[in-house]
Amino acid sequence: AQSVSQHNHHVILSEAASLELGCNYSYGGTVNLFWYVQYPGQHLQLLLKYFSGDPLVKGIKGFEAEFIKSKFSFNLRKPSVQWSDTAEYFCAVNAFKDSNYQLIWGAGTKLIIKP
Amino acid sequence: GAGVSQTPSNKVTEKGKYVELRCDPISGHTALYWYRQSLGQGPEFLIYFQGTGAADDSGLPNDRFFAVRPEGSVSTLKIQRTERGDSAVYLCASSLTASGAGGTQYFGPGTRLLVL
Repeated sequence: AQSVSQHNHHVILSEAASLELGCNYSYGGTVNLFWYVQYPGQHLQLLLKYFSGDPLVKGIKGFEAEFIKSKFSFNLRKPSVQWSDTAEYFCAVNAFKDSNYQLIWGAGTKLIIKP
Repeated sequence: GAGVSQTPSNKVTEKGKYVELRCDPISGHTALYWYRQSLGQGPEFLIYFQGTGAADDSGLPNDRFFAVRPEGSVSTLKIQRTERGDSAVYLCASSLTASGAGGTQYFGPGTRLLVL
């Protein structure tokens, strides 16, 4: 069955540290890939997405992600985090499942940035 | 509208009662999705509408859950005989289309349901 794995459930970093959150999926067909962010008390917001073309995609607030097809991965990165990046981050894959496209979600990674 | 809106933002009810949760998608979006999110977990798919019809309702947990979208815009999620285990945040999302470049889902703020 299709699934999305986020390797770390909790990550704690200091400001200015570099960030990489892992995301792997299990699906052999064409996929669309997303990272969503949920700031404390707010709703899910799209951070970035990959559909085709350049596998390195840039999103809002200095985030980027790289699609590596051979590794079934779509890791999220930011070179220097800020306290305001404290949030929960979700990786999601839009895959064709049971005759429909369905967004399959990872369990999320809670990121805490220490000021 | 500018974004997806959901009402009410919070709903407290007693076990066994009936509740309705409303979602107003982004204007022009043909696809509408309902999810449920429990604390510390990712969204759990419930049902997806393409236009007025439910294209995929495989995520509805049982027959107490039902959703409609009669005019292809606003949708209502209905829960009968609520149970304490139904307590969660119910999320609605919409997208221009179901797949491809138009398939990006935009989420509403959610309805926090508490069943006592």
